Amino acid sequence: GNSVTQMEGPVTLSEEAFLTINCTYTATGYPSLFWYVQYPGEGLQLLLKATKADDKGSNKGFEATYRKETTSFHLEKGSVQVSDSAVYFCALSPFQGAQKLVFGQGTRLTINP
Amino acid sequence: GAGVSQSPRYKVAKRGQDVALRCDPISGHVSLFWYQQALGQGPEFLTYFQNEAQLDKSGLPSDRFFAERPEGSVSTLKIQRTQQEDSAVYLCASSLVSAGEEETQYFGPGTRLLVL
Repeated sequence: GNSVTQMEGPVTLSEEAFLTINCTYTATGYPSLFWYVQYPGEGLQLLLKATKADDKGSNKGFEATYRKETTSFHLEKGSVQVSDSAVYFCALSPFQGAQKLVFGQGTRLTINP
Repeated sequence: GAGVSQSPRYKVAKRGQDVALRCDPISGHVSLFWYQQALGQGPEFLTYFQNEAQLDKSGLPSDRFFAERPEGSVSTLKIQRTQQEDSAVYLCASSLVSAGEEETQYFGPGTRLLVL
């Protein structure tokens, strides 16, 4: 089946620290991979995506690389800000265009000034 | 422009009551999705519409759950005879294109349902 496992939270960092949130997946086909973010009081928003192996998605200083050999899609940011505090969800679409998203359990990130 | 809206934002129901949750997708969006998000968990897929056709309802947990989108725009998720395990946030999402093309899903703020 299709599943996503991500780093358990909560994660607390100081401003300007380096961030990594691990995400690994299991899929029967060739999935597309996503990171969604949920800021306090807001709905889920797409942060970045990658649709094939070795693609790198990037947005707002965040990036993640689709690694087929390790079935991973880790989220990284070089210098976090207080405004990055949110819950981050890794997700997959079982095949390109399937659109039915399978989510991980979410990782709550808190950045302290 | 306006995003996906959902109503009500909060709903408290007594066990056994029926509830109806509404989703207004972004105008012109072909695809519409419902997800259920339990506390501390990621969203789980419930059902998918392409226009008015319900193409996938594999995630609906029981026959007490029913969704419709009669005119290919607004959608309603109905839960009959609610149970405590139905307590969750129900998320609606829409996207511009049909299955077969990769397109961003835009999520609404969700309806938080509490069954007492």
